[in-house]
Formats: sequence, structure tokens, C-alpha cells
Amino acid sequence: SQQGEEDPQALSIQEGENATMNCSYKTSINNLQWYRQNSGRGLVHLILIRSNEREKHSGRLRVTLDTSKKSSSLLITASRAADTASYFCATDASASGTYKYIFGTGTRLKVLA
Amino acid sequence: EAQVTQNPRYLITVTGKKLTVTCSQNMNHEYMSWYRQDPGLGLRQIYYSMNVEVTDKGDVPEGYKVSRKEKRNFPLILESPSPNQTSLYFCASSFGLAGSSDTQYFGPGTRLTVL
Repeated sequence: SQQGEEDPQALSIQEGENATMNCSYKTSINNLQWYRQNSGRGLVHLILIRSNEREKHSGRLRVTLDTSKKSSSLLITASRAADTASYFCATDASASGTYKYIFGTGTRLKVLA
Repeated sequence: EAQVTQNPRYLITVTGKKLTVTCSQNMNHEYMSWYRQDPGLGLRQIYYSMNVEVTDKGDVPEGYKVSRKEKRNFPLILESPSPNQTSLYFCASSFGLAGSSDTQYFGPGTRLTVL
């Protein structure tokens, strides 16, 4: 399977704390994206990082990418109860000559008020 | 409003009864895609389309068909559904192909149960 993996599978923190989740993938990529999903609803795009970038920020989100280790991390700072959701990374499969997307298995984040 | 719509949102059917899940986008996107989501497995891509009349298999295409006769529509067809196709299905679209800097917009999902 080409599917990426994320860890932890589940994370529970207090409001105000930082949340870090990690994503590993298997092939060379052009970019990596992070998505958020609230309770079985459609995914919403959060942030995209290109393969030639090492770090990117957007509001309370910080994403890092290490192409040598084929891994990425998403940091949510000063978490809020509204951040409770599942988070997925997604990569392209350009290295295989196709236009597929490959998603990770997701991290379920619960932020306690 | 820019959106991806799917119908039906919920469907319970029986083994072997052909069904179609429709997907439509109003953003003039080139790339459209179908995913299934199962507990513990994340999202897995079923089929994708780069443009009208151009489709290709994702990672789990067995038991599914698609067509792209118009740019805005990308229906998912289950010719003979089986219980292992019980899942949550998402349609998504984007301007560019996978690997471009474009992001995908997702529909609200279709929860399918095959008895």
C-alpha cells in the first residue's frame, strides 16, 4: 500500500496547549498538504508546503517538511476546543507518473475545554 | 457559492442493485476525484479525472466505474454493490492536477450501506 501514516492516531490535550501530529510518506513528492475533517464531514484544506520548503506558517499552524526522512509535522499552537477534529496529510504520487493523491490515516485531536 | 455537491447524502441498498452517486462542482475545476473513507484507513482514492473523457484508477478502483462526460459532473457507479463497499464516500475537485499547488475542495460525503 502507498498509504501514508500519521501518528499519533489520537491525541487529547487541554485548551491552550500545543498539538503536534506527524505524517510519514513513501515516495518523492511535489508538495504535501494538510486537511482537517470535522466529525464525518468533508475535508477542508489547511495548508500546503512545497517539496523545496522546510517550514511554513499560517496563523496558529506551523508545518515542517523533511524530504530526506519523508516526513512532515503539523503544529497547532494555543489550541481551542474548536480545533477538535481529525487531521490528514496528503501527498501526490508524481514519482510514480500518476496524478493520484495519497492520504495518511489521520490523527484524531480532542481539545478539552 | 463555490461548492462540490454530492447526492444522495445517505443511501441504504442491497447487494447487487446498481447505484450511482452523483458529484457536481461549479468552480470550473479540471481535476475531480472520488475517495472512500473507512475507520482506521483514512481516505483512499478510487478514481480520478484530469479532464473531460480522461479518467484513471486510484488505489482502490475494483467494483467501481466513473465517467466524465461534462466538466462539472463526475458520477460514481457501483454496478453490483457488495457489503464491503459500505463506506463514506467523498468527491473532490481542484483546478490543477495532483502535484500542482492547487488544493482540493471536498463535497459533504455520501454514507452508503450495502446490506
